[in-house]
Amino acid sequence: AQSVTQPDIHITVSEGASLELRCNYSYGATPYLFWYVQSPGQGLQLLLKYFSGDTLVQGIKGFEAEFKRSQSSFNLRKPSVHWSDAAEYFCAVARFKAAGNKLTFGGGTRVLVKP
Amino acid sequence: DVKVTQSSRYLVKRTGEKVFLECVQDMDHENMFWYRQDPGLGLRLIYFSYDVKMKEKGDIPEGYSVSREKKERFSLILESASTNQTSMYLCASTSERTGPDGYTFGSGTRLTVV
Repeated sequence: AQSVTQPDIHITVSEGASLELRCNYSYGATPYLFWYVQSPGQGLQLLLKYFSGDTLVQGIKGFEAEFKRSQSSFNLRKPSVHWSDAAEYFCAVARFKAAGNKLTFGGGTRVLVKP
Repeated sequence: DVKVTQSSRYLVKRTGEKVFLECVQDMDHENMFWYRQDPGLGLRLIYFSYDVKMKEKGDIPEGYSVSREKKERFSLILESASTNQTSMYLCASTSERTGPDGYTFGSGTRLTVV
């Protein structure tokens, strides 16, 4: 069975500082990986995704993520955080072309941004 | 834009009641999903459906059932609501063509069981 671990439940970062959110997955085949963001009172929004190709992927809002197969990781980064980045972030994994296309999510990391 | 509409934003129900959560999507998606979201646990899949009248258990199906009689509608049923089912419930859909790449989520239903 596939699983996703986000080791950090909360992260506090100063505005303008860099941010890195960790994600580790357990999956037997080639994973299809995603990062979602949920701002307070808002729905889930897809930030970026990876299936194949370049292991460094760019997303919306200035975010990027790097896939490292050897470490089973897909960490999310942003060079300079804005106050509007305060939100909860979810890493997710899916099996490519599996029936039903179900996503398995991690527990989430809540990001607080200090002025 | 694809819309996934959940019928209620907030619900308060009593222990033992039968509860129906409704979800409707308007883009002819084959796949529909029910997740519950709890702090620290993320989103956990309750049930999903990849076609009309087809359903499969997710990771936490106990205490829930589902119904998909029409392609656009996917209902989550709590047969006898309990306080540990107090949670945020999210519905989602995607097509077979776009797969996990094309999820659209509803706004959620916050259910409180008292």
